[in-house]
Amino acid sequence: GGIITQTPKFLIGQEGQKLTLKCQQNFNHDTMYWYRQDSGKGLRLIYYSITENDLQKGDLSEGYDASREKKSSFSLTVTSAQKNEMAVFLCASSNWGDTYEQYFGPGTRLTVL
Amino acid sequence: AQSVTQPDARVTVSEGASLQLRCKYSYSGTPYLFWYVQYPRQGLQLLLKYYSGDPVVQGVNGFEAEFIKSNSSFHLRKASVHWSDSAVYFCAVSGNTGYQNFYFGKGTSLTVIP
Repeated sequence: GGIITQTPKFLIGQEGQKLTLKCQQNFNHDTMYWYRQDSGKGLRLIYYSITENDLQKGDLSEGYDASREKKSSFSLTVTSAQKNEMAVFLCASSNWGDTYEQYFGPGTRLTVL
Repeated sequence: AQSVTQPDARVTVSEGASLQLRCKYSYSGTPYLFWYVQYPRQGLQLLLKYYSGDPVVQGVNGFEAEFIKSNSSFHLRKASVHWSDSAVYFCAVSGNTGYQNFYFGKGTSLTVIP
C-alpha cells in the first residue's frame, strides 16, 4: 500500500498572490496529476507528469505552473490567485502497466480573500 | 469527444433500499471504466473498475457495476444501502495507455435517509 500526502490542507491567500501546493506519494508511481474540483463541476485536469521532470498540460493549465523535480513529488503553483476563488485541488498518481486507476490525496482547500 | 455523463446530480434513498447510479460515457477507443467515491473532506477512493471480461464487476462494500457496450453505460448498483454510503460518486473513463487523461463525470451526491 501507499499514501498520497498533500500540503497544506487549507490555504488562504490574497488576490494576486502566488501560491504553491505540494504533493508527495510513496507508491513509487510514474505518473502524477493535479486536478481542480469545483462544486457541481466534477474534476478538471490542470497538469500531469509522466515521469520525473516531465510536464503535460491539461484542460485547465492557464493560470498555473507545475514542477516535478522528483519521482515522488509534484508541486502546483497558482500564479496569481483570483479574488473570491474557492476550490479543492486534488493530487493523484498512477502506475504504468496493466492497471491505470488513479490514487488520490485528501486535497488542498483554497480560499482567496 | 471523450466525456462522461452522470445525469443525476442528487439521489436520495432510504436505508435498506436498492440503488442505481447512472453513468454514460463517450470514448473513441477501448474504454477503461471506473467508479470512485468521495466522502466529505476526503479524496476520491476507487470503488471498482472494468477493463475487460465479465461485464459485471464487483467492488468494495457490496457495490457492483455493469458494462453495457451497446448502450455506452456503466451503471453502479447496490442491493441494500446503508447510511454510511452517503457520499459523492464519480464515474470515470480512461484509455489503455497508462497516462491517458481520465474523464470524470460531474458526480452524483447520494443521501441515504436512516
